[in-house]
Order: sequence, then structure tokens, then C-alpha cells
Amino acid sequence: NAGVTQTPKFRVLKTGQSMTLLCAQDMNHEYMYWYRQDPGMGLRLIHYSVGEGTTAKGEVPDGYNVSRLKKQNFLLGLESAAPSQTSVYFCASTILMNTEAFFGQGTRLTVV
Amino acid sequence: SQKIEQNSEALNIQEGKTATLTCNYTNYSPAYLQWYRQDPGRGPVFLLLIRENEKEKRKERLKVTFDTTLKQSLFHITASQPADSATYLCAPPRSQGNLIFGKGTKLSVKP
Repeated sequence: NAGVTQTPKFRVLKTGQSMTLLCAQDMNHEYMYWYRQDPGMGLRLIHYSVGEGTTAKGEVPDGYNVSRLKKQNFLLGLESAAPSQTSVYFCASTILMNTEAFFGQGTRLTVV
Repeated sequence: SQKIEQNSEALNIQEGKTATLTCNYTNYSPAYLQWYRQDPGRGPVFLLLIRENEKEKRKERLKVTFDTTLKQSLFHITASQPADSATYLCAPPRSQGNLIFGKGTKLSVKP
């Protein structure tokens, strides 16, 4: 089993460009999450999903959109990238909301 | 608002000693708390979960305590090794159920 896989691992964007980060899990988990991690800030929840076809806002949702069209995939979109979105993005999944989280390896995004 | 504080940004100890990391929470009472390990350039990895009715939980050289009166969890690594060097994150749930992560404590174990 691969667990949680994020694509791409690295990306450099110009301000105003758009992109989509893909998260795929092969554990049949219901819940999926997108976090960003910045120095001194810890992990902050952007959006999450409690099942296929559902999404909900986390702590820092502004500037991001998500979709969960298939149970195994959770997409994070940046419509118009800003330098403030330079960060490391982590996807995670859980069986239930109160069980251990499995994280992907992260996507390092730089917006110039 | 719900707040999580991990008291030390960094902790340096000698190999063989016990490392003790602290996690304090305010403004709520979580039913459980999780601890994760994160290595540089990698995603966090789950270590232990402790529930409010469990005072202590152990896994090999790891021990976690949960004091609901003090609103604190302690994470201990006994007989520490250089391979234990990493950042450790505590993560209780928010009222909505999803996890809130502390900023982490970077542990360095010197040989």
C-alpha cells in the first residue's frame, strides 16, 4: 500500500498563476484534510472532507478551493497564487475523525 | 479560542537520558490527544493517542500522560538515542473533531 500520495512534490509558481495539488489515498479512508506548514506557525488546517462529495472550511481557507469527487482523491486548488501562499502543503487522511492521521510526504510550493 | 502550547521550541539532551516534552491546552477539554513525530522534509507520523480517562500510555520507550486538571500532556522518551532526534507535535481535537496541532518541539539527542 502506498498510503497517502501527494503530487507534485515541488512547484514554483508566479504570482497570479493557478495550480492544483492532488492527494490520493488507497486506504479507503472517509476523511481527508489539507494543511499548510509554515515556520513558527505549525500545521494549520485549510479545508477538509468528511466523505466523497463533501468539503468544509478549516482555519485558513481563504485563497484555496477543494474538491472530493472521488473518495480516494482530494484536490487543493489555488486560483490566483500569492507569495503568502508559499508554504509546505500536507494532505492527510483518517478512517474516522478521531483516529490516527496518515500524512503524505508534502508539497513544497514557492510563489514568486 | 482553543489554544495549544508546546512549551519548548527546542530541547537538547544527551544520549541515554529521558526527554520530556510538554503540551498545554487552554479554553477547552479535549477527550483525547495525539502525539506525532516529524522528520525534516517528511510528513508527521502518528505515535500515540491517549484518552481523557487514561492517565498514562506506553509504547516501547515512549510514555504519554494526560492530566485533565492541569490541562497538560507530557511526552517522555526514555533511554533516548540520536535516532530519536526529530520534531514532536501534540494534537488534540478541536470542538468540530478535526485535529489542532501544536507548533512542535525539536528534540536533539547528542551522542
